Amino acid sequence: DTEVTQTPKHLVMGMTNKKSLKCEQHMGHRAMYWYKQKAKKPPELMFVYSYEKLSINESVPSRFSPECPNSSLLNLHLHALQPEDSALYLCASSLDREGTEAFFGQGTRLTVV
Amino acid sequence: ELKVEQNPLFLSMQEGKNYTIYCNYSTTSDRLYWYRQDPGKSLESLFVLLSNGAVKQEGRLMASLDTKARLSTLHITAAVHDLSATYFCAVDGLSGTYKYIFGTGTRLKVLA
Repeated sequence: DTEVTQTPKHLVMGMTNKKSLKCEQHMGHRAMYWYKQKAKKPPELMFVYSYEKLSINESVPSRFSPECPNSSLLNLHLHALQPEDSALYLCASSLDREGTEAFFGQGTRLTVV
Repeated sequence: ELKVEQNPLFLSMQEGKNYTIYCNYSTTSDRLYWYRQDPGKSLESLFVLLSNGAVKQEGRLMASLDTKARLSTLHITAAVHDLSATYFCAVDGLSGTYKYIFGTGTRLKVLA
């Protein structure tokens, strides 16, 4: 099983809403990532979790709050987003070891209205 | 700060032709990855290159890595329409951080 599963696939939310994105993998990977991708741009790293601990936060605004409840799950809690936060949010996972590629989920297409 | 640049940014080519995409990065690393992304889809891993001089081939695509020049190439041989996609290279960050930093991407369109 080389699959990273993200839900929901699409999400429309208002600027005052609170929502969560979910990501799950069962490959035994201990590193998990959130990326944000705008149209026709490369993915931008947001957060990295290693062994369920936040190891990298790329200066992401606090309206994005990651959570790693266990080694298979990764959440991204969203609150008071802005329209410019509309993007494809990609979750990825990898072995916590140098030289291994990251596997990506299908993404959540987020629209903030 | 690690920077990863690709060129060209956009490539339109005829079926049957050959071309090369270049990926330059700004810091010492011997771990480079190539991904493919179809419109509106996720990223699919193509190649993992882990040492200077590494070369990998899969079908019409061949990737290589020159860590001394901080350069990777993705060579397309006898392109077919199905190869139309955006191709990204990605480089590991500093040792121990496991952060994949993506290049600017190359949008490839193969014309029938």
